[in-house]
Amino acid sequence: GAVVSQHPSRVICKSGTSVKIECRSLDFQATTMFWYRQFPKQSLMLMATSNEGSKATYEQGVEKDKFLINHASLTLSTLTVTSAHPEDSSFYICSARGGLAGETGELFFGEGSRLTVL
Amino acid sequence: KNQVEQSPQSLIILEGKNCTLQCNYTVSPFSNLRWYKQDTGRGPVSLTIMTFSENTKSNGRYTATLDADTKQSSLHITASQLSDSASYICVVSTGGSYIPTFGRGTSLIVHP
Repeated sequence: GAVVSQHPSRVICKSGTSVKIECRSLDFQATTMFWYRQFPKQSLMLMATSNEGSKATYEQGVEKDKFLINHASLTLSTLTVTSAHPEDSSFYICSARGGLAGETGELFFGEGSRLTVL
Repeated sequence: KNQVEQSPQSLIILEGKNCTLQCNYTVSPFSNLRWYKQDTGRGPVSLTIMTFSENTKSNGRYTATLDADTKQSSLHITASQLSDSASYICVVSTGGSYIPTFGRGTSLIVHP
Protein backbone atom coordinates (compact mmCIF):
# COMPACT_ATOMS: atom_id res chain seq x y z
CA GLY A 1 0.00 0.00 0.00
CA ALA A 2 0.87 3.64 -0.22
CA VAL A 3 3.45 4.92 2.22
CA VAL A 4 3.76 8.32 3.81
CA SER A 5 6.94 9.15 5.63
CA GLN A 6 7.33 11.80 8.30
CA HIS A 7 10.59 13.18 9.59
CA PRO A 8 11.74 13.68 12.25
CA SER A 9 9.79 11.27 14.43
CA ARG A 10 10.92 13.10 17.55
CA VAL A 11 12.38 16.56 18.03
CA ILE A 12 13.29 18.56 21.08
CA CYS A 13 13.98 22.26 20.72
CA LYS A 14 14.47 25.34 22.83
CA SER A 15 11.74 27.92 23.22
CA GLY A 16 11.94 30.57 20.52
CA THR A 17 13.48 28.38 17.85
CA SER A 18 11.78 27.10 14.70
CA VAL A 19 11.24 23.46 13.82
CA LYS A 20 10.51 21.96 10.42
CA ILE A 21 8.65 18.68 9.95
CA GLU A 22 8.62 16.93 6.58
CA CYS A 23 5.90 14.75 5.13
CA ARG A 24 6.68 12.71 2.03
CA SER A 25 4.56 10.42 -0.09
CA LEU A 26 6.96 7.68 -1.12
CA ASP A 27 5.14 5.84 -3.88
CA PHE A 28 2.41 8.13 -5.11
CA GLN A 29 1.79 11.74 -5.96
CA ALA A 30 -0.08 13.51 -3.20
CA THR A 31 -2.19 16.30 -4.62
CA THR A 32 -3.50 17.12 -1.16
CA MET A 33 -1.84 16.83 2.22
CA PHE A 34 -3.34 17.44 5.62
CA TRP A 35 -1.63 18.42 8.86
CA TYR A 36 -3.02 17.48 12.26
CA ARG A 37 -2.18 18.07 15.86
CA GLN A 38 -2.96 15.60 18.59
CA PHE A 39 -2.80 16.09 22.34
CA PRO A 40 -2.51 13.10 24.66
CA LYS A 41 -5.58 10.88 24.67
CA GLN A 42 -7.40 13.16 22.28
CA SER A 43 -8.39 12.75 18.67
CA LEU A 44 -6.69 14.28 15.69
CA MET A 45 -7.32 17.98 15.18
CA LEU A 46 -7.06 19.18 11.60
CA MET A 47 -4.78 22.20 11.37
CA ALA A 48 -4.60 22.87 7.66
CA THR A 49 -5.09 21.48 4.18
CA SER A 50 -2.43 22.01 1.56
CA ASN A 51 -2.70 21.49 -2.17
CA GLU A 52 0.40 21.25 -4.29
CA GLY A 53 1.43 24.61 -5.67
CA SER A 54 -1.05 26.70 -3.74
CA LYS A 55 -1.39 28.27 -0.32
CA ALA A 56 -2.58 26.13 2.55
CA THR A 57 -6.07 26.49 3.94
CA TYR A 58 -5.97 26.81 7.71
CA GLU A 59 -8.67 25.74 10.13
CA GLN A 60 -10.22 28.32 12.37
CA GLY A 61 -8.03 29.17 15.31
CA VAL A 62 -4.79 27.97 13.71
CA GLU A 63 -2.27 30.76 13.24
CA LYS A 64 -0.91 30.69 9.71
CA ASP A 65 2.12 32.76 10.67
CA LYS A 66 2.88 30.38 13.49
CA PHE A 67 2.50 27.17 11.51
CA LEU A 68 3.97 27.64 8.06
CA ILE A 69 3.00 25.01 5.53
CA ASN A 70 4.67 24.51 2.18
CA HIS A 71 3.57 21.97 -0.42
CA ALA A 72 6.09 22.67 -3.14
CA SER A 73 5.94 19.31 -4.87
CA LEU A 74 3.56 16.40 -5.31
CA THR A 75 5.57 14.30 -2.88
CA LEU A 76 6.59 16.73 -0.16
CA SER A 77 4.87 19.01 2.30
CA THR A 78 6.54 20.72 5.23
CA LEU A 79 5.21 22.17 8.47
CA THR A 80 7.37 24.75 10.20
CA VAL A 81 6.54 25.68 13.77
CA THR A 82 7.99 29.16 14.14
CA SER A 83 9.18 30.65 17.42
CA ALA A 84 8.11 27.54 19.24
CA HIS A 85 6.84 27.72 22.81
CA PRO A 86 6.21 24.95 25.35
CA GLU A 87 2.48 25.02 24.56
CA ASP A 88 3.34 23.99 20.99
CA SER A 89 4.60 20.68 22.32
CA SER A 90 2.38 18.07 20.73
CA PHE A 91 2.15 15.16 18.32
CA TYR A 92 1.95 16.36 14.72
CA ILE A 93 0.69 14.02 12.00
CA CYS A 94 0.35 14.44 8.27
CA SER A 95 -1.79 12.57 5.79
CA ALA A 96 -1.70 12.49 2.02
CA ARG A 97 -4.29 11.87 -0.65
CA GLY A 98 -4.00 11.31 -4.35
CA GLY A 99 -2.31 9.01 -6.87
CA LEU A 100 -3.10 5.45 -5.87
CA ALA A 101 -6.05 6.69 -3.81
CA GLY A 102 -7.96 7.23 -7.01
CA GLU A 103 -11.54 8.30 -6.67
CA THR A 104 -12.00 7.01 -3.14
CA GLY A 105 -10.04 9.85 -1.61
CA GLU A 106 -8.17 7.36 0.57
CA LEU A 107 -5.98 8.98 3.18
CA PHE A 108 -2.58 7.63 4.09
CA PHE A 109 -1.06 8.82 7.33
CA GLY A 110 2.50 9.44 8.35
CA GLU A 111 3.87 8.01 11.57
CA GLY A 112 3.73 11.33 13.34
CA SER A 113 6.31 13.69 14.83
CA ARG A 114 6.59 14.28 18.57
CA LEU A 115 7.62 17.88 19.27
CA THR A 116 8.84 18.88 22.71
CA VAL A 117 9.64 22.52 23.32
CA LEU A 118 11.74 23.22 26.40
CA LYS B 1 -22.38 21.38 10.12
CA ASN B 2 -20.64 18.11 9.29
CA GLN B 3 -20.09 16.05 12.41
CA VAL B 4 -18.93 12.57 13.31
CA GLU B 5 -19.82 11.20 16.72
CA GLN B 6 -18.23 8.06 18.12
CA SER B 7 -19.23 5.95 21.07
CA PRO B 8 -18.24 4.81 23.52
CA GLN B 9 -15.44 7.24 24.27
CA SER B 10 -13.50 4.44 25.90
CA LEU B 11 -13.94 0.71 26.33
CA ILE B 12 -12.19 -1.96 28.36
CA ILE B 13 -12.66 -5.63 27.52
CA LEU B 14 -11.00 -8.92 28.29
CA GLU B 15 -8.83 -10.67 25.77
CA GLY B 16 -10.82 -12.99 23.56
CA LYS B 17 -14.08 -11.08 23.88
CA ASN B 18 -15.89 -9.31 21.05
CA CYS B 19 -16.78 -5.64 20.98
CA THR B 20 -18.58 -3.14 18.77
CA LEU B 21 -17.74 0.50 18.28
CA GLN B 22 -20.26 3.00 16.93
CA CYS B 23 -20.01 5.94 14.58
CA ASN B 24 -22.86 8.33 13.74
CA TYR B 25 -22.42 11.09 11.20
CA THR B 26 -24.19 14.05 9.70
CA VAL B 27 -21.74 14.59 6.84
CA SER B 28 -23.41 15.54 3.58
CA PRO B 29 -23.03 14.81 0.77
CA PHE B 30 -21.56 11.49 1.76
CA SER B 31 -18.63 10.02 -0.14
CA ASN B 32 -17.07 7.34 2.00
CA LEU B 33 -16.49 6.24 5.57
CA ARG B 34 -13.27 4.87 6.91
CA TRP B 35 -12.19 3.28 10.13
CA TYR B 36 -8.62 3.76 11.30
CA LYS B 37 -6.64 2.18 14.10
CA GLN B 38 -4.14 4.39 15.87
CA ASP B 39 -1.64 2.92 18.26
CA THR B 40 -0.28 5.27 20.91
CA GLY B 41 2.37 7.54 19.47
CA ARG B 42 1.86 6.28 15.92
CA GLY B 43 0.01 7.45 12.87
CA PRO B 44 -3.46 6.03 12.05
CA VAL B 45 -3.63 2.94 9.89
CA SER B 46 -6.61 2.25 7.65
CA LEU B 47 -8.79 -0.73 8.55
CA THR B 48 -11.71 -0.40 6.15
CA ILE B 49 -13.16 2.04 3.66
CA MET B 50 -16.81 1.93 2.66
CA THR B 51 -18.75 3.76 0.00
CA PHE B 52 -22.46 4.49 -0.15
CA SER B 53 -23.42 1.17 -1.72
CA GLU B 54 -21.51 -1.04 0.69
CA ASN B 55 -23.21 -2.43 3.80
CA THR B 56 -20.43 -4.48 5.28
CA LYS B 57 -16.73 -4.99 4.82
CA SER B 58 -14.31 -7.23 6.67
CA ASN B 59 -10.61 -7.06 7.29
CA GLY B 60 -9.55 -10.09 9.29
CA ARG B 61 -11.13 -9.85 12.73
CA TYR B 62 -12.50 -6.40 11.95
CA THR B 63 -15.92 -6.05 10.35
CA ALA B 64 -17.39 -2.68 9.52
CA THR B 65 -21.03 -2.04 8.70
CA LEU B 66 -22.65 0.99 7.15
CA ASP B 67 -26.28 2.09 7.14
CA ALA B 68 -26.41 5.08 4.83
CA ASP B 69 -30.08 5.68 5.60
CA THR B 70 -29.57 6.14 9.33
CA LYS B 71 -26.03 7.48 8.83
CA GLN B 72 -24.54 4.98 11.21
CA SER B 73 -21.53 2.72 11.06
CA SER B 74 -20.15 0.14 13.41
CA LEU B 75 -16.81 -1.59 13.76
CA HIS B 76 -17.00 -5.07 15.23
CA ILE B 77 -13.85 -6.68 16.59
CA THR B 78 -13.97 -10.43 17.03
CA ALA B 79 -11.88 -12.43 19.49
CA SER B 80 -9.97 -9.41 20.71
CA GLN B 81 -6.23 -9.54 21.23
CA LEU B 82 -3.95 -7.46 23.42
CA SER B 83 -2.62 -5.81 20.28
CA ASP B 84 -6.10 -4.45 19.54
CA SER B 85 -5.58 -1.92 22.34
CA ALA B 86 -5.59 1.37 20.46
CA SER B 87 -7.71 4.32 19.46
CA TYR B 88 -10.22 3.66 16.67
CA ILE B 89 -11.14 6.65 14.57
CA CYS B 90 -14.10 7.02 12.22
CA VAL B 91 -13.57 9.39 9.30
CA VAL B 92 -16.33 10.45 6.92
CA SER B 93 -15.59 12.29 3.69
CA THR B 94 -17.85 14.52 1.65
CA GLY B 95 -18.56 13.87 -2.00
CA GLY B 96 -16.47 15.46 -4.69
CA SER B 97 -13.83 17.22 -2.65
CA TYR B 98 -13.39 14.31 -0.21
CA ILE B 99 -12.96 16.68 2.73
CA PRO B 100 -12.62 14.42 5.77
CA THR B 101 -14.43 14.90 9.08
CA PHE B 102 -12.91 13.05 12.00
CA GLY B 103 -14.60 11.47 14.96
CA ARG B 104 -12.95 11.89 18.36
CA GLY B 105 -12.13 8.21 18.46
CA THR B 106 -12.86 5.33 20.81
CA SER B 107 -10.07 4.24 23.08
CA LEU B 108 -10.05 0.45 23.39
CA ILE B 109 -8.09 -1.35 26.08
CA VAL B 110 -7.85 -5.13 25.96
CA HIS B 111 -6.82 -6.73 29.25
CA PRO B 112 -5.33 -10.21 29.55
